[in-house]
Amino acid sequence: DIQMTQSPSTLSASVGDRVTITCRASQSIGSWLAWYQQKPGKAPKLLIYKASSLESGVPSRFSGSGSGTEFTLTISSLQPDDFATYYCQHSETFGQGTKVEIK
Amino acid sequence: QITLKESGPTLVKPTQTLTLTCTFSRFSLSASGVGVGWIRQPPGKALEWLALIYWDDDKRYSPSLKSRLTITKDTSKNQVVLTMTNMDPVDTGTYYCAHALIVGVPYWFAPWGQGTLVTVSS
Repeated sequence: DIQMTQSPSTLSASVGDRVTITCRASQSIGSWLAWYQQKPGKAPKLLIYKASSLESGVPSRFSGSGSGTEFTLTISSLQPDDFATYYCQHSETFGQGTKVEIK
Repeated sequence: QITLKESGPTLVKPTQTLTLTCTFSRFSLSASGVGVGWIRQPPGKALEWLALIYWDDDKRYSPSLKSRLTITKDTSKNQVVLTMTNMDPVDTGTYYCAHALIVGVPYWFAPWGQGTLVTVSS
């Protein structure tokens, strides 16, 4: 089974900061990675699919990169609405999540 | 736009069987490349993939829960049903269904239903 490991588990940042979250796969998965944002009490929302494709309606400050075993989600300028938990996913496997909190 | 909504009991007793229904609209589960998945989330914890049903009725289950799960679809009713047997308090959590876009083998979920909280307690 493929394992997905996210880092860090928690990230403290300020509005306007550039934020990067990493997701590592235990074996190569090509570009088949998705990123989700989840706010408390809400369902996850797809942000990025196929490692770097931006889902329709998602702000352009979100971007994804990587292939093989290492992937990143970048928020270019953190906005108040972006404080949430982020998950990576490859098919049946989710990462453990990264909580982005206010510094 | 595509919508999904989960329904089922909010409280089940240990050892009972949980039956959850996902009712969806604005897509066909007969269309190639489409699926519906179930994902759960214990309170304060990460997402856990449970099962996926494909447009051609192929099914996949979490290896750790496979013996307890059954996923079925009723295309005419636009519904997908998940049953989980022998419920335990550790199965408490929010259960989501989600529309899956399937590209060969890999897939991702969008959108998701709002989720339904299931508590397992005597």
